[in-house]
Amino acid sequence: VLTQSPGTLSLSPGQRATLSCRASQTVSNNYLAWYQQKPGQAPRLLIYASSSRATGIPDRFSGSGSGTDFTLTISRLEPEDFAVYYCQQYDSFWLTFGGGTKVEIK
Amino acid sequence: EVRLVQSGAGVKKPGESLKISCKGSGYNFAEYFIAWLRQKPGKGLELMGIIYPGDSETRYRPAFQGQVTISADKSITTAYLQWRGLKASDSAMYYCARLREERRLQSSLDYWGQGTLLTVSS
Repeated sequence: VLTQSPGTLSLSPGQRATLSCRASQTVSNNYLAWYQQKPGQAPRLLIYASSSRATGIPDRFSGSGSGTDFTLTISRLEPEDFAVYYCQQYDSFWLTFGGGTKVEIK
Repeated sequence: EVRLVQSGAGVKKPGESLKISCKGSGYNFAEYFIAWLRQKPGKGLELMGIIYPGDSETRYRPAFQGQVTISADKSITTAYLQWRGLKASDSAMYYCARLREERRLQSSLDYWGQGTLLTVSS
């Protein structure tokens, strides 16, 4: 089980966002990904293998962590970054997702 | 350019059948797993199952085993998700997505279809 916190993060453009994802069991090989989903759109892969940015993802997005605790950081929020973020483990075949963190404009 | 294009939204009655599609292009379709995922309104993402188009090896998440059928036709680079006997609780957005690494099950999802909205209502 992946537990994301907080459920909602209210921030202003330009601020730093720190999102947490905690796994109930160790995620081996750092097989942890992060996705962004905007209303009416499919999710978009941001980070894989805990800290590798996917193709075309700006460097204001960074991932870190290992074992059971992982973090997605957005260094300076841009207007287009307000969305829901999901973590996902792929250590187990049953790819599972966290419940999501909504980053909203304060 | 890698693309996954899904079939359009559908409105169905309980008990009816439906097959939705996901057409891949811009890559070797046979060599990458395709996942099907469900997202109910305002909720998170659930994996339903995965197929390897190269040999049609399919795995279902237990909650979806027997409820849906996943298939693929590599000759036309298309994957399918099928229901026989729809229920109102099947109403959701359905996404197909490609697993990022060739021939690997343990992989993130790098390309997604645009989604197919299914409404089941009498």
